[in-house]
Amino acid sequence: DIQLTQSPSSLSASVGDRVTITCQASQSLNGHLHWYQQRPGEAPRLLIYEASGLQRGVPSRFSGSGSATKFTLTISSLQPEDFATYYCQQSYNSKTFGQGSRVEV
Amino acid sequence: QVNVVESGGGLVRPGGSLRLSCAASGFTFINYNMNWVRQSPEKGLEWLSHISPSGSNMYYADSVKGRFTISRDNARNFVYLDMSRLRADDTAIYYCARGLDAFDVWGRGTLVSVSS
Repeated sequence: DIQLTQSPSSLSASVGDRVTITCQASQSLNGHLHWYQQRPGEAPRLLIYEASGLQRGVPSRFSGSGSATKFTLTISSLQPEDFATYYCQQSYNSKTFGQGSRVEV
Repeated sequence: QVNVVESGGGLVRPGGSLRLSCAASGFTFINYNMNWVRQSPEKGLEWLSHISPSGSNMYYADSVKGRFTISRDNARNFVYLDMSRLRADDTAIYYCARGLDAFDVWGRGTLVSVSS
């Protein structure tokens, strides 16, 4: 199975901050890496597909980059509604999720 | 409005069975792959199963293979997950999600608790 390791597991940030979350895969994913946001009590929401594609309706402050085994989610200017947990997910071989990265005040 | 709504969760004893349903609306259901994903504090998010648009191809995570069965009714726009031989570690919120690689539509989930 492909393992995904996210870092950091949690971080403290303030409104307006630039936030970067990393997802490291145990093998190359050929770009098949996606990012989700989950607020408490809600289902995950797709933000980024195939490493860098911005899902329709997602604000442009969210961006994704990376290739092979290392991928990054960046929030350029953190907004109050962005305090949530973020997950990466691979679809190269079956499907697995990272353990999550919590962004808190 | 594009939407999926899960139902059928509840409390079940170890070794028991349960059927989850997912009602889809607002999109051409027969064109889309569908999945079940669960979430628990212990295991986080875990993909369980996938079914192709026609229903002819199904895939399962090793953790549920042989115990869970996915199916769909394209006439009624439903996806199902039949779960048997349930164990305590199957306790989770179960989500229905649309997509082949990335999951772009999720329901609010239904809670399954396995306990004696």
